[in-house]
Amino acid sequence: RKEVEQDPGPFNVPEGATVAFNCTYSNSASQSFFWYRQDCRKEPKLLMSVYSSGNEDGRFTAQLNRASQYISLLIRDSKLSDSATYLCVVNNPPGGYNKLIFGAGTRLAVHP
Amino acid sequence: NAGVTQTPKFRVLKTGQSMTLLCAQDMNHEYMYWYRQDPGMGLRLIHYSVGEGTTAKGEVPDGYNVSRLKKQNFLLGLESAAPSQTSVYFCASSLLATNSYEQYFGPGTRLTVT
Repeated sequence: RKEVEQDPGPFNVPEGATVAFNCTYSNSASQSFFWYRQDCRKEPKLLMSVYSSGNEDGRFTAQLNRASQYISLLIRDSKLSDSATYLCVVNNPPGGYNKLIFGAGTRLAVHP
Repeated sequence: NAGVTQTPKFRVLKTGQSMTLLCAQDMNHEYMYWYRQDPGMGLRLIHYSVGEGTTAKGEVPDGYNVSRLKKQNFLLGLESAAPSQTSVYFCASSLLATNSYEQYFGPGTRLTVT
């Protein structure tokens, strides 16, 4: 079983749509959770951290369910510029060195 | 600030050849990492370093060596390249902080081994 699992997609949605991605993780001791964004042929970049109480950043909302060990990302009012691959990332103690485990990513394509 | 830079951006090697990938960061970060990214798989950690002069193995270290002689540089070496090492290689760095896990990535090196 992969440590971090994501639906690879692609999710094809029209502009303005709301789309949600889920991710599950296997290590119940994981403490920190993130969504990274990776554009085609580019490096990953941090989109947002995921906090226990859930958090929002503009059109993006992240939720964490520790009991079920899953993380979600909701994108409202999708823009063409949201087209990218979204990577679910968790830390993996006892790493002791900031070890992050990356999911394979979910691809989003927003069309006009 | 340039952030994290990598050289070269592209490289084609023949099986058995050697090469070194260079990563440099100007953010004074303690931690540096080398990952590889293959289709359908998440980034996998090859080696990492928690400070100048120290390195350690990650998830997939076989066939690679690293050195961190200066804090700002982290080198990844392939002594005898194999087709299985065809991949995109990313370097990353992060602060030495238990509550700051953001990793900053370089633009990547696309390596093909024929």
